[in-house]
Amino acid sequence: GENVEQHPSTLSVQEGDSAVIKCTYSDSASNYFPWYKQELGKGPQLIIDIRSNVGEKKDQRIAVTLNKTAKHFSLHITETQPEDSAVYFCAGPGSYSSASKIIFGSGTRLSIRP
Amino acid sequence: SQTIHQWPATLVQPVGSPLSLECTVEGTSNPNLYWYRQAAGRGLQLLFYSVGIGQISSEVPQNLSASRPQDRQFILSSKKLLLSDSGFYLCAWNLQENTPANEKLFFGSGTQLSVL
Repeated sequence: GENVEQHPSTLSVQEGDSAVIKCTYSDSASNYFPWYKQELGKGPQLIIDIRSNVGEKKDQRIAVTLNKTAKHFSLHITETQPEDSAVYFCAGPGSYSSASKIIFGSGTRLSIRP
Repeated sequence: SQTIHQWPATLVQPVGSPLSLECTVEGTSNPNLYWYRQAAGRGLQLLFYSVGIGQISSEVPQNLSASRPQDRQFILSSKKLLLSDSGFYLCAWNLQENTPANEKLFFGSGTQLSVL
């Protein structure tokens, strides 16, 4: 089955600096790559996603990049702010035929230092 | 618009007691439904998913069971809780149609279960 590995497990950055979180996947058929943000005591929420026909997608301060050859995709947060502190999850497998079995990475706890 | 309701928000139960967590979805039909568990500081573990009424798939052997008595209702149960059942339980849904939109998962607000 699909395997999704996420790194790092924790990340602390100075406010204003950038943060990068990376996920690798095993299923070469994957074609959808989402990132979720979970604030304390809440359910995760989708913040950005990308499909395999593009290499990068941006939404204001966040971006996702995809390297299909290397089978990894990354979340980039620029000009970090205190409200970016949360746990971030990538998810797989991202192929329509197995959409009923969505597996998440282990999560990255991002802390923004003032 | 679609909404997902999950309750209760917090629950403290003694070991050996039964459990029933309920999740309902509004504004959509025939969704996929999911139960995830999140141990403190850990990732999301898929427990059950359902593609239709009465259709339940279990991902890990455990002390829990799930049922889907109605199209938009998903229930997580246990006859006798264990200490290890403590955690943050999340219900989620997504669309079933084989389209690019069907992989976006929408989560409920979660239930924090403490078994003492």
